Amino acid sequence: KQEVTQIPAALSVPEGENLVLNCSFTDSAIYNLQWFRQDPGKGLTSLLLIQSSQREQTSGRLNASLDKSSGRSTLYIAASQPGDSATYLCAVRPGSARQLTFGSGTQLTVLP
Amino acid sequence: GAGVSQSPRYKVAKRGQDVALRCDPISGHVSLFWYQQALGQGPEFLTYFQNEAQLDKSGLPSDRFFAERPEGSVSTLKIQRTQQEDSAVYLCASSSRISGRYSGELFFGEGSRLTVL
Repeated sequence: KQEVTQIPAALSVPEGENLVLNCSFTDSAIYNLQWFRQDPGKGLTSLLLIQSSQREQTSGRLNASLDKSSGRSTLYIAASQPGDSATYLCAVRPGSARQLTFGSGTQLTVLP
Repeated sequence: GAGVSQSPRYKVAKRGQDVALRCDPISGHVSLFWYQQALGQGPEFLTYFQNEAQLDKSGLPSDRFFAERPEGSVSTLKIQRTQQEDSAVYLCASSSRISGRYSGELFFGEGSRLTVL
C-alpha cells in the first residue's frame, strides 16, 4: 500500500527566505505526483503536476522535483512571502489506480 | 462552470440524520472523485466515477455511505444515519482527458464541512 510522508509537519520562516518542502513515498511505481496548496477552510488548489517521466516542473517562484527511484519529491519556494502561508500537500497517483494518495501536509507560515 | 462547485459548504446534522452533499464538476470533466478530510490530515479517497459509472468505491467507510452520478455530471454523496465519526470535510474533485492523453491533474472544490452532533 502506498504511503506518503511529508516532513516537516510545520515550518515557520521569515519573509524573503527560500525554502524546501519534502515529500516521500513508499512505492516508486507512480503515474504522477501533484503538489497542492490548501488555505484554512478552503479546498485544494493545484500548484504543480509532475508526470512520472518528468524530473521537475516550474511555475513562477515554485519548482517541484521528482526522483522516482528514491521515492522523493521536493517543492522549492523562492523568495517566500506572507501570502504563501498555507498548508502544502503532496499526492501521488499509483500506476494502477486513478485516485491520489495524500500526505498529511506541511503547514507553512511566512512571517512579515 | 469555471470550477468545481460543492454544496452545502457547511452542514450540521444530528446523529442519526441522513445528509446529501452535492458536487458540480468542471464542465466536460469525465472523472469525478470524492475524498474525506479529517482535521489536520490529508484527504482520503472515498469513491471514483468515470462518466456515470462508479468504477471504484473501495474507500467508502461503511454501507451508510452511497454516491451516485446518474447523468455523468453532477454527483451526490449520501450519508445515512450519520455518526459523530462522520464529521469531516468532504471534497469533490474532477479531471479530464486531454487530446487522448489522461493528464491526471485533479481540480478540487472548496468542500462541504459536515458536523454531526
